[in-house]
Amino acid sequence: EIVLTQSPATLSLSPGERATLSCRASHSVSNYLAWYQQKPGQAPRLLIYDASNRATGIPARFSGSGSGTDFTLTISSLEPEDLAVYYCQQRSNWPTFGQGTRLEIK
Amino acid sequence: QVQLVESGGGVVQPGRSLRLSCAASGFTFSSFGMHWVRQAPGKGLEWVAVISYDGSNEHYADSVKGRFTISRDNSKNTLYLQMESLRAEDTAVYYCAKDGCSSTSCFHEHWGQGNLVTVSS
Repeated sequence: EIVLTQSPATLSLSPGERATLSCRASHSVSNYLAWYQQKPGQAPRLLIYDASNRATGIPARFSGSGSGTDFTLTISSLEPEDLAVYYCQQRSNWPTFGQGTRLEIK
Repeated sequence: QVQLVESGGGVVQPGRSLRLSCAASGFTFSSFGMHWVRQAPGKGLEWVAVISYDGSNEHYADSVKGRFTISRDNSKNTLYLQMESLRAEDTAVYYCAKDGCSSTSCFHEHWGQGNLVTVSS
């Protein structure tokens, strides 16, 4: 099983600031990595697939990068509605999720 | 538009069974792999099971292997999860998710709203 480790566990930033979320894989997953956003009380939503491709309808302030074992989700300028938990998921093998990063907006 | 609507959840005693359904619409159901993903209260996401577009292949997380069975009826555009020998640790919101695929990989492109299963005596 490929283990994904996300950091930090919690991130607290102000509107307009830049958020950088990390996801590290225990083995290389090439670029077979997706990011999901889960707002309070809602189902998850696909943000990024293949490490760096934005899903349909996702604002340009969200971007993904990385390959192999180290990946980053960047939110360039935080909006209040970005309050959520963010999960990475690998599809190199049977799917696994990271434990999530909680993004708090000050 | 794509819609996935789960049903069948509720409160069940430990050791008993339950079947979840996921009714799909807005896309050609028989062309896509489908998954179940769960989330225990206050916890993160856990992938549970996948079934291929034609039902010929399935795979399960170790935590449910031998107890849960994923299936689909493409004539009814419906995905199922049969859960047997339920345990307290199976308590979670269960989501069905539709695969989308690029030229290189697949991902959970659409999700249902979730259905709560509570295992308690």
